[in-house]
Amino acid sequence: DAKTTQPNSMESNEEEPVHLPCNHSTISGTDYIHWYRQLPSQGPEYVIHGLTSNVNNRMASLAIAEDRKSSTLILHRATLRDAAVYYCILRMVYNQGGKLIFGQGTELSVKP
Amino acid sequence: AAGVIQSPRHLIKEKRETATLKCYPIPRHDTVYWYQQGPGQDPQFLISFYEKMQSDKGSIPDRFSAQQFSDYHSELNMSSLELGDSALYFCASSLGLHGGNTIYFGEGSWLTVV
Repeated sequence: DAKTTQPNSMESNEEEPVHLPCNHSTISGTDYIHWYRQLPSQGPEYVIHGLTSNVNNRMASLAIAEDRKSSTLILHRATLRDAAVYYCILRMVYNQGGKLIFGQGTELSVKP
Repeated sequence: AAGVIQSPRHLIKEKRETATLKCYPIPRHDTVYWYQQGPGQDPQFLISFYEKMQSDKGSIPDRFSAQQFSDYHSELNMSSLELGDSALYFCASSLGLHGGNTIYFGEGSWLTVV
């Protein structure tokens, strides 16, 4: 299985941008890169996903390296509500039932 | 917009009892996933269903079983409960299995085994 590597934790100041890195050197050509976040005692929340091109939505931006071996989730202005565990997950196309395999994510803390 | 609905939200059972968790996917979603998350752990995949057929199986104990019904809702049955089964159980749904589709999670069902 293609795996991802993320820092255990990161800190950010409120109102500042946050760049959360993810390495996935064994990614295959058909793996989508998904990002989810989870607040304590809540279900994982979808943030963004992409395949090859950079993606933007109302929550965040996803920057994907040209070789696809790494990606970065960008929160443009961190708020206290963004404090959560962020998971970078490779989702295979049609293999393994399309499930998400959660690894160790990055715990983001936001300081006021 | 309608989200994934799980019931009950909280459940307390004694050891060796049986518990059933229900999941109602987002309307038109045909794929359901079950996850278990113990205290301080990451969510662990248990089992998934696509169009009422099991599509994948993870680390689901033999004491657990699940199915997806004709209306696409799913139930997770847990028998001979053990203390270690105490966890937060998430259901998620998606439209198909394609990796580019989004999976949406419910708020979870808290199971406490005493």
